[in-house]
Amino acid sequence: DTGVSQDPRHKITKRGQNVTFRCDPISEHNRLYWYRQTLGQGPEFLTYFQNEAQLEKSRLLSDRFSAERPKGSFSTLEIQRTEQGDSAMYLCASSVGANSPLHFGNGTRLTVT
Amino acid sequence: GENVEQHPSTLSVQEGDSAVIKCTYSDSASNYFPWYKQELGKRPQLIIDIRSNVGEKKDQRIAVTLNKTAKHFSLHITETQPEDSAVYFCAGKNSGGGADGLTFGKGTHLIIQP
Repeated sequence: DTGVSQDPRHKITKRGQNVTFRCDPISEHNRLYWYRQTLGQGPEFLTYFQNEAQLEKSRLLSDRFSAERPKGSFSTLEIQRTEQGDSAMYLCASSVGANSPLHFGNGTRLTVT
Repeated sequence: GENVEQHPSTLSVQEGDSAVIKCTYSDSASNYFPWYKQELGKRPQLIIDIRSNVGEKKDQRIAVTLNKTAKHFSLHITETQPEDSAVYFCAGKNSGGGADGLTFGKGTHLIIQP
């Protein structure tokens, strides 16, 4: 499967712990996006990268969240001091360029207890 | 920023009938409008998209129409089949502006009744 892959698929953590998710985009895609989706809602944009540069962050991305894409390939999303409100599906997507369709991964479902 | 409203939130149609889902957007500069289908527990998958330089696009049983003046766009599915049952999301963005993230609607749960 050469699609977008995300790891882990599920993560259960206790409030206050740090978690890190990984996304591997489609290999020739230079844009990588992070979205968050809660039950009954559409995906909400968090941030995106063009190659290794983080070009935009949503106001939803509090200072507890940090994303990196150090070599312009895979990306990580870290959440520090998790809160119950962070429980959601975290989706990664990639695209060839600005005007190209987004291809989503299967997501990482985070549950904060 | 962009705001996308989608309705209805749930749509139930008889198999073989047509389904229409409507979305409105707020940013007149938005110029790219994709539709995604998400089955339970799976990733959103692009089914069709339209850019603001065209008013309609069709792909087999699926079509999308765009009215730039009224700032609304619609998804039309004809001859619905059980496998069309899913949550459908519309989205919009200004691909030429500084904000690159898609803004999604809240989704429509389409139920195809046998």
